[in-house]
Parts: sequence; structure tokens; C-alpha cells
Amino acid sequence: AQTVTQSQPEMSVQEAETVTLSCTYDTSESDYYLFWYKQPPSRQMILVIRQEAYKQQNATENRFSVNFQKAAKSFSLKISDSQLGDAAMYFCALSGYALNFGKGTSLLVTP
Amino acid sequence: SAVISQKPSRDICQRGTSLTIQCQVDSQVTMMFWYRQQPGQSLTLIATANQGSEATYESGFVIDKFPISRPNLTFSTLTVSNMSPEDSSIYLCSVGALGVNYGYTFGSGTRLTVV
Repeated sequence: AQTVTQSQPEMSVQEAETVTLSCTYDTSESDYYLFWYKQPPSRQMILVIRQEAYKQQNATENRFSVNFQKAAKSFSLKISDSQLGDAAMYFCALSGYALNFGKGTSLLVTP
Repeated sequence: SAVISQKPSRDICQRGTSLTIQCQVDSQVTMMFWYRQQPGQSLTLIATANQGSEATYESGFVIDKFPISRPNLTFSTLTVSNMSPEDSSIYLCSVGALGVNYGYTFGSGTRLTVV
């Protein structure tokens, strides 16, 4: 069975600072994808970043980057230069035929 | 990536009634899913909507409660039947893409409140 664990229910960061959200997972598959999704109050699920497990290079998308440690089954998200618009719930997800989600981390951005 | 139109965006329903949620995709997709997000919780997969055959339900979800239709590769409906307040949740449809654009896109969700 696949599991995704997000151990930080809430995180807070000041504008322009950097924050890291943690995620660990477990799977018996050798080939899989990992995702971070953002869900603002509008409830729309927005893809932030995607990582292919067979790629050793960490994915980056503008201010968002991941630290993917395959052996440790760890997949953290780093948000640099945080902005007020980054405030949302962030979900880590692991691909099967559908997605398995962690419980989420609520990110608060303070001015 | 695919664009999904999900309707209704929200509804308030009486207990014992049923609500049908629709998802229309702007392109043909093979993989289509329905999720439930209970208040303050994460997303839980209800079922995979299969075109031309019965949906595949996850443990804890049954067809009598959540009947799903998938008449073609661009459209699906989820019905929440005989509703109770415990069914108050956000329901989301999702489609998957394979290949170089591998990933999952979500509809905007339906916020259901049962009174």
C-alpha cells in the first residue's frame, strides 16, 4: 500500500523569506511520480511542481523547488521569496493509477 | 493540460435527496477520477470512472451511494444519493494525462452542504 505523510499541519513564513514543507512517502513501485499541489480557499487544486522518481535532478519551477531523496523516501518543497499569494493548503501526492495525498500543510504568509 | 468544467460549484441539499455533479473535459481522456474532501481533510479517492463499463470503487465507497456514469471520454457524472449531513464535503473530479505531460488536473470542485 502507498502512504504519504505530511507531519507539519501548519507552517508560517514572513513575506520574502524561505520556507520548507516536509513530505515522506512509502511505495513498493520503482517508477512513480511525486507532486505538490496548492489549494487556496477557492478550493481549486493547482499543480505546483512534479518530480519523476527516475530523475535524480531535483525539479524547480521559479520560486518553488524540491529536495527529492529517493532512498529516504523524502520529498520536501522549498518556497523562496514567499509572497502573500502563496498562502494556501499544500498537499504532497504520490502517483499510483490515481493520486494518494498526504493530509496537507496549511501555509500562512505574514507581511 | 486538459481543462475541466465542473458543475455545480456549490449546493445546499435536504437530507434524503440526491445531487448529481457533472464534469466536462475539453479533450478526450482515458483516466478520470472522483475524489471527496471532507471539511478540513485531505482528498480521498472515491472511484475511477471507466468509459463503457462500471466504475471501480475504492474501499468504503459503494455504487448504490455514489453511482457514476461515464458515457464518453469527455464527460462523467457523480451522484451522491440519499444524502445525510455526513456527506457534506467538497467533491472533485480529476483527469490524468500520460506521457511527457504526465500529471493530474482537477475540476474546480463542488461544495456540498446537506441540511
